[in-house]
Amino acid sequence: DAGVIQSPRHEVTEMGQEVTLRCKPISGHNSLFWYRQTMMRGLELLIYFNNNVPIDDSGMPEDRFSAKMPNASFSTLKIQPSEPRDSAVYFCASSHRVGYGYTFGSGTRLTVV
Amino acid sequence: SQQGEEDPQALSIQEGENATMNCSYKTSINNLQWYRQNSGRGLVHLILIRSNEREKHSGRLRVTLDTSKKSSSLLITASRAADTASYFCATDEIKAAGNKLTFGGGTRVLVKP
Repeated sequence: DAGVIQSPRHEVTEMGQEVTLRCKPISGHNSLFWYRQTMMRGLELLIYFNNNVPIDDSGMPEDRFSAKMPNASFSTLKIQPSEPRDSAVYFCASSHRVGYGYTFGSGTRLTVV
Repeated sequence: SQQGEEDPQALSIQEGENATMNCSYKTSINNLQWYRQNSGRGLVHLILIRSNEREKHSGRLRVTLDTSKKSSSLLITASRAADTASYFCATDEIKAAGNKLTFGGGTRVLVKP
């Protein structure tokens, strides 16, 4: 199993541009999570899905952020328009089911200039 | 505020010594998990302890859980330079829907050869 796959690994973009982060969870995992990590705020849960359905998006900071999971093998996190304060490492994680640990991807380091 | 708070924030030890870090949390949980993060990488699941368990072992790792004090500890025995990383506790809160984890701020561990 290749694990949770995120792309791109690094993204540098100008303020105001649209950014799309991608995630492929582990096959058979039915929960998917998007986290953001910064030095100041640590790991923050943005949104998570169970069986492709968004369950809790209370962590999404603003309407500029949106996430989709069109099928069990793919999810996107979109920021439009991006701002410098969105600079962070964004992690996707998946889990088999309730009560099990997460498998994290390697993350996308986003820099908005 | 974060559910889990690790203590200490940073720890420096010599190879071969034991490393102990603690995690305190605020609400009732289903389980508590520990993760490791190497610099620039994603988090790796180490061990999960359920609310009805008091101690768990995995290799050189020993985790304890005291639900009456809402605290957990992670002990790494006979540390190695490769154990240098940040360690995070994460709680699966009873009140939270689904399989949602809340992460603490982490303990940075440096193992000197």
